[in-house]
Amino acid sequence: AQSVTQLGSHVSVSEGALVLLRCNYSSSVPPYLFWYVQYPNQGLQLLLKYTSAATLVKGINGFEAEFKKSETSFHLTKPSAHMSDAAEYFCAVSGSLIQGAQKLVFGQGTRLTINP
Amino acid sequence: KAGVTQTPRYLIKTRGQQVTLSCSPISGHRSVSWYQQTPGQGLQFLFEYFSETQRNKGNFPGRFSGRQFSNSRSEMNVSTLELGDSALYLCASSLAKTGSRVGGELFFGEGSRLTVL
Repeated sequence: AQSVTQLGSHVSVSEGALVLLRCNYSSSVPPYLFWYVQYPNQGLQLLLKYTSAATLVKGINGFEAEFKKSETSFHLTKPSAHMSDAAEYFCAVSGSLIQGAQKLVFGQGTRLTINP
Repeated sequence: KAGVTQTPRYLIKTRGQQVTLSCSPISGHRSVSWYQQTPGQGLQFLFEYFSETQRNKGNFPGRFSGRQFSNSRSEMNVSTLELGDSALYLCASSLAKTGSRVGGELFFGEGSRLTVL
């Protein structure tokens, strides 16, 4: 079965500081991994995805993530935080072994706060 | 291109009632998935439909059901509502094709927030 663990339900950083959101996964097959962001009263928006191509994945808004198979990790980073990055972030793994079926297994989320 | 549209955005029901939520996917998307989001359980997969067929189902009781129409629009229904059904219900659509594991992007709507009193 597939699962995701996000370390830290709340992360607080200063504006301009490095953002690091941690995600570890478990998957019985080579994983497809995703990071989504959710702003208040909105749905989820895809930041980036890993689907077995390059291990360093660049996404929108300056975010990137590195897939490390040996560590079963897919941590999200951004070199310099901006006030607009304040939101909840979800790591997800493809949870379906059925060909073509769409199912994501999400972590519990990390709420990112940016201090001025 | 219009995004995923969910209606209604907010609704209040009482225990024992039933509710139907609607989702219109992005034009051309044939896969529609539903997720329940609560503070305690987080985001949980309900079910996924593709070309009017349920392809995958999460671990929810039979009170939760769904369907997809020929135009890819989808509805989900919850019968005999319980207090614990209070949640944000999110619909997502994707291009998903048969014959390959998921790798595509899910596009989410803004959700329907259900409150059960």
